[in-house]
Amino acid sequence: AQKITQTQPGMFVQEKEAVTLDCTYDTSDPSYGLFWYKQPSSGEMIFLIYQGSYDQQNATEGRYSLNFQKARKSANLVISASQLGDSAMYFCAIYAGNNRKLIWGLGTSLGVNP
Amino acid sequence: DTGVSQDPRHKITKRGQNVTFRCDPISEHNRLYWYRQTLGQGPEFLTYFQNEAQLEKSRLLSDRFSAERPKGSFSTLEIQRTEQGDSAMYLCASSLAYGDTQYFGPGTRLTVL
Repeated sequence: AQKITQTQPGMFVQEKEAVTLDCTYDTSDPSYGLFWYKQPSSGEMIFLIYQGSYDQQNATEGRYSLNFQKARKSANLVISASQLGDSAMYFCAIYAGNNRKLIWGLGTSLGVNP
Repeated sequence: DTGVSQDPRHKITKRGQNVTFRCDPISEHNRLYWYRQTLGQGPEFLTYFQNEAQLEKSRLLSDRFSAERPKGSFSTLEIQRTEQGDSAMYLCASSLAYGDTQYFGPGTRLTVL
């Protein structure tokens, strides 16, 4: 079975600084995909970045990058130059099974201080 | 291209009443997922449709829950005889093809009094 562990319940970062959100995963599938989503207080789940298990390079999307260490089964999200609007819950997820349903972690609450 | 939409955004109901939620996926997305998220938790998978076929249901989906996707377009999730434990955010997501990213709607927040 697939599992996602996010060990940081909450953290703060100073505006304009970089921050790393941790995610470790467990799966027996050789092919898998890892996702990061942002959930503001409004509740909508916003897709940020995706990393496939066979991707040779770490994924990047604007200020978001994924530090993918396959041997350690970790997929940490790095947000560069934090902005006040980055304050939200951040979830790591992995897809499972033929139907590609997502298995989620408990999330990390990020606060950005001005 | 419009995103995933859900209706209603908020629903308050009394215990024992039936409620129905609607999800309109991104056009041409053939995969549709329902998730439930309670306070302080990550979302949990409920059910999955490929076109009009419901291909997987979680054990979380008790007999009081039913979902449909007629004609492979919009989907409805109905909860009969609601209980206080059903209070949660119900999230709908769609994706275009096998393994593609799931895009979520704004969710329906259900409160059962």
